[in-house]
Amino acid sequence: GQQLNQSPQSMFIQEGEDVSMNCTSSSIFNTWLWYKQDPGEGPVLLIALYKAGELTSNGRLTAQFGITRKDSFLNISASIPSDVGIYFCAGPRNQGGKLIFGQGTELSVKP
Amino acid sequence: GAVVSQHPSRVICKSGTSVKIECRSLDFQATTMFWYRQFPKQSLMLMATSNEGSKATYEQGVEKDKFLINHASLTLSTLTVTSAHPEDSSFYICSARDLEKSGGRSTDTQYFGPGTRLTVL
Repeated sequence: GQQLNQSPQSMFIQEGEDVSMNCTSSSIFNTWLWYKQDPGEGPVLLIALYKAGELTSNGRLTAQFGITRKDSFLNISASIPSDVGIYFCAGPRNQGGKLIFGQGTELSVKP
Repeated sequence: GAVVSQHPSRVICKSGTSVKIECRSLDFQATTMFWYRQFPKQSLMLMATSNEGSKATYEQGVEKDKFLINHASLTLSTLTVTSAHPEDSSFYICSARDLEKSGGRSTDTQYFGPGTRLTVL
């Protein structure tokens, strides 16, 4: 079945550094969604990608939908302490809209 | 982005009681909402799909008589945990599906509520 493999599982970086995380799948996805979840909160949508090859930015965040439609990456530039949290990639499983999630990348930023 | 609210944000109840959690899409209509459960340090686990005007569909292993779902309007879905037990203690999160068509392009996005922390004593 469809699965999303997200890496790395965790990252410990210094404030100001750039961050990159990615998601891969053995199946094709038509949509890639990137979410951030703070402790005790629901996931917040960061970037939505709908077209293969699409590169989209949201402030210091940039995400790309891979040409093969089997992967996506999320970059965060010049990280700040409030970037701390868990980042999830997700994609709809089928036409019914159920999402498949990656395992999450836990980001820690040292001031 | 679109806003989804959940109420209550936190609830503590005694074993054997029932708890209702509400999920509302505030600025768009959602024919489909989803209910998730999340354990610490884990990803979200889909429990059920809530469809406006029809019965919910449950994921394998989720008891439909235990977790009652009602999607009475295009902006409201409720999850009732019946006869709650300590093992039902968890973080419950809903999401609302936003389907849009514009300029010949269709988009399919989900927006999540802030979650409800349920503690059953």
